[in-house]
Amino acid sequence: GQSLEQPSEVTAVEGAIVQINCTYQTSGFYGLSWYQQHDGGAPTFLSYNALDGLEETGRFSSFLSRSDSYGYLLLQELQMKDSASYFCAVRDYNTDKLIFGTGTRLQVFP
Amino acid sequence: ETGVTQTPRHLVMGMTNKKSLKCEQHLGHNAMYWYKQSAKKPLELMFVYSLEERVENNSVPSRFSPECPNSSHLFLHLHTLQPEDSALYLCASSQDKRATNEKLFFGSGTQLSVL
Repeated sequence: GQSLEQPSEVTAVEGAIVQINCTYQTSGFYGLSWYQQHDGGAPTFLSYNALDGLEETGRFSSFLSRSDSYGYLLLQELQMKDSASYFCAVRDYNTDKLIFGTGTRLQVFP
Repeated sequence: ETGVTQTPRHLVMGMTNKKSLKCEQHLGHNAMYWYKQSAKKPLELMFVYSLEERVENNSVPSRFSPECPNSSHLFLHLHTLQPEDSALYLCASSQDKRATNEKLFFGSGTQLSVL
């Protein structure tokens, strides 16, 4: 089957760096994307990795390693407003469906 | 503002009621989606429409009935729901069915409670 696993919760303090991991089991996929969702809000697109390696967008970076079936989202210089849930997602080759991970709730403390 | 608007934001209904959820996108996209988000579970794809034609139905119970009258509007008609259908229902859109860079634009959702 297809599944993406993420830690359920991560905590950190302002100014710190945090890494949210995403491990997956799927026979093949097109790329790994990340979404952010604040409580009561809409999920919003953060990044997409089509190829292995690191993609940087401001304070956020995303990494993909297909050989390790693993990816992560790196958030630097954490701010209180970064407190939210973060979801990884892949589009499966066989089903062409966009599959979402279980989500990680990030809490940033002062 | 993501360009995708959902109404109502909150809905409480009994198991015998009939109600509809509405989604409107102002982005000129050709594909629209309904997702179900339950606590502690991944987002579940329910329906996909591409150019107003339903292209995917993930074995959703018939008590959920989608309607896409044009590329900007999407409805989810609800009838005879069960308490386990209580969840956040999210609408999304993308440029086309195979979204470039997998970028979906989501609405804020309708929080549904079935009593």
